[in-house]
Amino acid sequence: EPEVTQTPSHQVTQMGQEVILRCVPISNHLYFYWYRQILGQKVEFLVSFYNNEISEKSEIFDDQFSVERPDGSNFTLKIRSTKLEDSAMYFCASNDAPGLAGHTDTQYFGPGTRLTVL
Amino acid sequence: AQKVTQAQTEISVVEKEDVTLDCVYETRDTTYYLFWYKQPPSGELVFLIRRNSFDEQNEISGRYSWNFQKSTSSFNFTITASQVVDSAVYFCALSGRDNYGQNFVFGPGTRLSVLP
Repeated sequence: EPEVTQTPSHQVTQMGQEVILRCVPISNHLYFYWYRQILGQKVEFLVSFYNNEISEKSEIFDDQFSVERPDGSNFTLKIRSTKLEDSAMYFCASNDAPGLAGHTDTQYFGPGTRLTVL
Repeated sequence: AQKVTQAQTEISVVEKEDVTLDCVYETRDTTYYLFWYKQPPSGELVFLIRRNSFDEQNEISGRYSWNFQKSTSSFNFTITASQVVDSAVYFCALSGRDNYGQNFVFGPGTRLSVLP
């Protein structure tokens, strides 16, 4: 069964460093998302991406964050200058064509990347 | 604004007991979707079910069942004959019809511990 994959599973970085988290969504999906979960807290929406541009973003997704689909398969989240409070699990998700007949709003999640900022 | 409430922060049961996890939601959308996800100790999010707001039929899948009550804005999840492997955090989530990112809202989660 197709699945969303994410690399690395765990990233440790120093405060102020740039990190890139990578995701490979399910191949026929068109909508991509990043979520964040600070340890012990709920999952929070960061950004959605469709047709090579951001369609929605939350207040968490400030200028330090950016997303990119550099090729036909990868979807990346870049944090330009990491802060201690960026330490969290980051989940990528994708779905095919929500809102269209015969399609689903179900977002399928990757296994997550645990980011630790020291 | 969309909101999902899971009033039970933690629940502990003994194996083979039945357990119900509560979910109450708020939305102004007339068409919306409700979801349950499981997050085991390994950390990944596992999709369990999606329910369309127009479909109030209850659903059963093995030991899992879901009770959608539009009148009370609730979408409760019952595990029958619980097992230790059911121990996880369970999230209820809500997605509106026209906005596929910003209003995909998760509840705070319920941590279920099933004791042997």
